[in-house]
Amino acid sequence: ETGVTQSPTHLIKTRGQQVTLRCSSQSGHNTVSWYQQALGQGPQFIFQYYREEENGRGNFPPRFSGLQFPNYSSELNVNALELDDSALYLCASSLERGKHTQYFGPGTRLTVL
Amino acid sequence: AQSVTQPDIHITVSEGASLELRCNYSYGATPYLFWYVQSPGQGLQLLLKYFSGDTLVQGIKGFEAEFKRSQSSFNLRKPSVHWSDAAEYFCAVYNSGAGSYQLTFGKGTKLSVIP
Repeated sequence: ETGVTQSPTHLIKTRGQQVTLRCSSQSGHNTVSWYQQALGQGPQFIFQYYREEENGRGNFPPRFSGLQFPNYSSELNVNALELDDSALYLCASSLERGKHTQYFGPGTRLTVL
Repeated sequence: AQSVTQPDIHITVSEGASLELRCNYSYGATPYLFWYVQSPGQGLQLLLKYFSGDTLVQGIKGFEAEFKRSQSSFNLRKPSVHWSDAAEYFCAVYNSGAGSYQLTFGKGTKLSVIP
């Protein structure tokens, strides 16, 4: 059974640029959630996708957007990068939406200069 | 909205000593609670979870946690710490809003282990 995978591992961008992060969910899981973890903080919920539709969003601006594909993999897109976007971005998948355990990938470390 | 508080930012214990990491939550009904562990630069690994039933929950790597409704707590324990347990530990609770269940995390407790 393959776990949650994320790419790339690390990324360096400059302010104002756009970035796309990718996540492959665990086999059999149809729900993907994205979290942002700033240095020294706990992860914060960005949004969740269920069967290709956004299914809930945290307190993040619209320049954070996402997609989920028919195979349930997902992308997180961030436009107009700001310095404060520097963080570890974590993807988690779960069997279904609702109160199911979320399993996390290794994360993508984004640095904005 | 539900919230989680981890009162201890950093804890240092000697190898072989017992460990207790504190977690307090705020929620009106029965919460769904989790403990995750994060090694430096890594993602989160699930240690254990509480959904219902027995209030003492066993997890991986010899960890256990006890749900105490009267104290709004879900403390993580281990009887004998190993050097490899040095990591950051996060308590989390399921928050429901706008049709989705998302995890709300505490700020974490960093565990250092002295040989």
